[in-house]
Amino acid sequence: NAGVTQTPKFQVLKTGQSMTLQCAQDMNHEYMSWYRQDPGMGLRLIHYSVGAGITDQGEVPNGYNVSRSTTEDFPLRLLSAAPSQTSVYFCASSYGAGSGNTIYFGEGSWLTVV
Amino acid sequence: AQKITQTQPGMFVQEKEAVTLDCTYDTSDQSYGLFWYKQPSSGEMIFLIYQGSYDEQNATEGRYSLNFQKARKSANLVISASQLGDSAMYFCAMRAYNQGGKLIFGQGTELSVKP
Repeated sequence: NAGVTQTPKFQVLKTGQSMTLQCAQDMNHEYMSWYRQDPGMGLRLIHYSVGAGITDQGEVPNGYNVSRSTTEDFPLRLLSAAPSQTSVYFCASSYGAGSGNTIYFGEGSWLTVV
Repeated sequence: AQKITQTQPGMFVQEKEAVTLDCTYDTSDQSYGLFWYKQPSSGEMIFLIYQGSYDEQNATEGRYSLNFQKARKSANLVISASQLGDSAMYFCAMRAYNQGGKLIFGQGTELSVKP
């Protein structure tokens, strides 16, 4: 998964702080998305984008903002962190949004909110 | 609404034996794809295999094969000749073409391979 880069890998935040999780890909993929994974669960979609300037909400969007100013980057912003946002976050990308496109994941970002 | 169900929270298999991980799905879309991912304890998501809804043959990738039964809406993963390194969480996921590319995951199956 070298093509999708997430930073930081680990972060501890205090309740109420803001931060941005960065996601970048160098594969010219149009489709990018953010997921969160809580213990013992599968990944849940937070926000996604089908191209620069286009974003939409996923299953669990509350408390998160995104923007897509370039094809390469899709940052996820936590405006006021809450303990419920403690999770592992994954960024993913694919060439298109169609069912046949391989989806590449970043290595994950471990976020703890205290 | 789309849904993925993995009914086996945990599975054990003896090394060198085959194992089947179950996955059923629900969708009203005609065009969709089914994915299996492996997540080792290190946390990364590793793509294993893909099956398209219009593919007539079951997908295979090395020791992995996908037993696709469209009428029953099942997409089971078969791992042949299990290895100790196969111990991990396994997730089934689905993506429908008309759903904006959203990837929906099941809750996963934890596979443990015994020596």
